Amino acid sequence: SQQGEEDPQALSIQEGENATMNCSYKTSINNLQWYRQNSGRGLVHLILIRSNEREKHSGRLRVTLDTSKKSSSLLITASRAADTASYFCAPYGSGNTGKLIFGQGTTLQVKP
Amino acid sequence: DAGVTQSPTHLIKTRGQQVTLRCSPKSGHDTVSWYQQALGQGPQFIFQYYEEEERQRGNFPDRFSGHQFPNYSSELNVNALLLGDSALYLCASTSLFYSGNTIYFGEGSWLTVV
Repeated sequence: SQQGEEDPQALSIQEGENATMNCSYKTSINNLQWYRQNSGRGLVHLILIRSNEREKHSGRLRVTLDTSKKSSSLLITASRAADTASYFCAPYGSGNTGKLIFGQGTTLQVKP
Repeated sequence: DAGVTQSPTHLIKTRGQQVTLRCSPKSGHDTVSWYQQALGQGPQFIFQYYEEEERQRGNFPDRFSGHQFPNYSSELNVNALLLGDSALYLCASTSLFYSGNTIYFGEGSWLTVV
């Protein structure tokens, strides 16, 4: 399915450390989008990586995409307490449906 | 440029009542989707509106209905509310004209059914 599956489900690190979250999916994609959700809030778009891209950076975020393995990773460097949130990957299928199917996400806790 | 805006932010309804949630898409976007997110879960796709018509629908009963207006704004209606309808309802917008465009979400409407 188009659903993204995040791993691990939960991650706890100290401030200043790096956090890596992984995403796997099963179908061909047009792009893959990562989102952050703070507790009780809406989804904030972090980064979009297209199927012909292998790596993309945005500030302290680094996203990789391996379409041969149908996987993506999100790396947050030098994490801060404010990075504490749930992170979701959302594969966008090749059919341009505008529809995203989410997994349960990775819950990241950054301890000060 | 305002992003996706939703109203109300919080509301409490009684079982059996009806509720209407509203969404204004990001400027330039013509496609609106609605998602339901229960506590501890990822968002679940309810349906999508494009050109004032429902284009896709997830696995939700007919109690969930919607509408899109000529200005691309949208409403989500839920009839005969159940306790299990308590959730965060998220609106998302994009432009299908640009294939694979970024999808933006609003802050959501928290619905509590008592």
